[in-house]
Amino acid sequence: DAMVIQNPRYQVTQFGKPVTLSCSQTLNHNVMYWYQQKSSQAPKLLFHYYDKDFNNEADTPDNFQSRRPNTSFCFLDIRSPGLGDAAMYLCATSSGRASEQYFGPGTRLTVT
Amino acid sequence: DQQVKQNSPSLSVQEGRISILNCDYTNSMFDYFLWYKKYPAEGPTFLISISSIKDKNEDGRFTVFLNKSAKHLSLHIVPSQPGDSAVYFCAASGGQGAQKLVFGQGTRLTINP
Repeated sequence: DAMVIQNPRYQVTQFGKPVTLSCSQTLNHNVMYWYQQKSSQAPKLLFHYYDKDFNNEADTPDNFQSRRPNTSFCFLDIRSPGLGDAAMYLCATSSGRASEQYFGPGTRLTVT
Repeated sequence: DQQVKQNSPSLSVQEGRISILNCDYTNSMFDYFLWYKKYPAEGPTFLISISSIKDKNEDGRFTVFLNKSAKHLSLHIVPSQPGDSAVYFCAASGGQGAQKLVFGQGTRLTINP
């Protein structure tokens, strides 16, 4: 089945210790997104890639970086996690404009 | 600046009855609207969408209505089933940010047996 896969599902990191979350897709979609969701809030878009073009949201902290080495994979790097970065991180894909986004199961990040 | 608003944080409905979830938006450039369902510890699942050229779209038990003049959309679920208990997010896209979705805050729907 075509899908969006996120690894790991749960990640614990220490304050200030870099962490990488990964996302892969078998849908062959052009666009990949990273969202941050804190409990009871709307998913907040951090950035997205249209093919290799990177699009950062204006209010995404510099602490958050992303890489997309190929169509199938996209990574979220948090360079120096703070306690406020504890959240669910959702990866999504879409085929482009005016189309639904398909979400992975998310990675729950805990910062100790 | 909340461009998409779901004013009801929670809704409780009897099994078998109709559930109506509401969503308002402010950006007149939005031309595509979606509803997602989210269970705890899972990613949102796409439910149904509607383009601004339509005012209704139906898929089984789910119907989405769009009122462009009021900048309002609603999701109707009938009949409601216990498995429908989840958080529902509406989302919108359009204009310069056409590849991006703007989400509402979500409404927690509980279906009571």
